[in-house]
Amino acid sequence: GENVEQHPSTLSVQEGDSAVIKCTYSDSASNYFPWYKQELGKRPQLIIDIRSNVGEKKDQRIAVTLNKTAKHFSLHITETQPEDSAVYFCAAGRGSTLGRLYFGRGTQLTVWP
Amino acid sequence: GAVVSQHPSWVICKSGTSVKIECRSLDFQATTMFWYRQFPKQSLMLMATSNEGSKATYEQGVEKDKFLINHASLTLSTLTVTSAHPEDSSFYICSASRTSGSIMGTDTQYFGPGTRLTVL
Repeated sequence: GENVEQHPSTLSVQEGDSAVIKCTYSDSASNYFPWYKQELGKRPQLIIDIRSNVGEKKDQRIAVTLNKTAKHFSLHITETQPEDSAVYFCAAGRGSTLGRLYFGRGTQLTVWP
Repeated sequence: GAVVSQHPSWVICKSGTSVKIECRSLDFQATTMFWYRQFPKQSLMLMATSNEGSKATYEQGVEKDKFLINHASLTLSTLTVTSAHPEDSSFYICSASRTSGSIMGTDTQYFGPGTRLTVL
């Protein structure tokens, strides 16, 4: 099955700095890579996703890059704000298995004001 | 749009009893629903995939007789934890898959708020 590794497990940055979270996956057939943000006690919220037919996607301060050859993808948050503090999960999946997603272990991001 | 609800939000039960958790897609018809388990400060572990009108597909290591899944309609899936024991205490969270129209085949998943189960 799919194995998703995520690093780092914790990340602390100063407000205004950039944050980068990296993930690798094992199944070369995976073609969908979403990122979720989970605040304490709340549900995971989809913040951005990328499919294997593109290498980069950007939405305001958030961007995701994908390297299919190396089987890794990254989340980039620029101009971080304290409200960006949360746990971020990456995931990988493929349509041929009914859309199942396999999650990384999560990154606790703390943005200090 | 794409709102998923879960009921109850938390439940406390005695060891040996069964607990049913409901997952509903409120404003869309979900082609597929998924059940996850999340331990404190850990990742979401996929337990099973639920499709309306067919048997659920369980991940390796998940006991299908322990965690009964019924997908009665395109908007409702239920997870029943049978003969619950303290080790079953966890945060159970469902997600519903909504067709995004992508030709790549994998639909976007929207998560419910989760159910905190505590077995005494």
